[in-house]
Amino acid sequence: AQTVTQSQPEMSVQEAETVTLSCTYDTSENNYYLFWYKQPPSRQMILVIRQEAYKQQNATENRFSVNFQKAAKSFSLKISDSQLGDTAMYFCAFMTANTGNQFYFGTGTSLTVIP
Amino acid sequence: ETGVTQTPRHLVMGMTNKKSLKCEQHLGHNAMYWYKQSAKKPLELMFVYNFKEQTENNSVPSRFSPECPNSSHLFLHLHTLQPEDSALYLCASSQDTPGGITHGYTFGSGTRLTVV
Repeated sequence: AQTVTQSQPEMSVQEAETVTLSCTYDTSENNYYLFWYKQPPSRQMILVIRQEAYKQQNATENRFSVNFQKAAKSFSLKISDSQLGDTAMYFCAFMTANTGNQFYFGTGTSLTVIP
Repeated sequence: ETGVTQTPRHLVMGMTNKKSLKCEQHLGHNAMYWYKQSAKKPLELMFVYNFKEQTENNSVPSRFSPECPNSSHLFLHLHTLQPEDSALYLCASSQDTPGGITHGYTFGSGTRLTVV
């Protein structure tokens, strides 16, 4: 079974500080892709960052970076220099080509950036 | 706007009503999806269309009926819904290639559905 677990339903961080959101997943596949999506109050899910499982180097996108630990099946998201606009729900997801391109999502982490 | 537009943004309907949700994408993608988002639950995949052909139907009750007349438009027809069907319904699109949809989905802003 393919599952994604986000164990932190809610988190908060002071503006300009760094926060890490955790995600673990379970799959028997070896080739897959991992994603973090952001859903602000506007409700639009926006892709934050993606990681190919076959790449050892951790993906980075400006203030967003991941810590990908394939053996531990862990895929955490680090947000540096947090900004008020980072307040949102964050969803971890993965997909494998062998599962019909279906995405598997976690339950989300609600992040609040405090001024 | 990300290129995926959903209407209406909000919908309140009675259990005996018939309504439709609309999704439109202008990205040239060849796959479209309906997801149901409920509080504290993972997103639930409902339907998948590749090249206008339905390829997934994840045991969705027949009171939800999808329609994909072309690769740019996707509808979700609703009839005799239950209060537990109240949720945010998200449409997404992607470019499906032999290697998979490795660049992720583009989502719409969703329709907030309330069944009374």
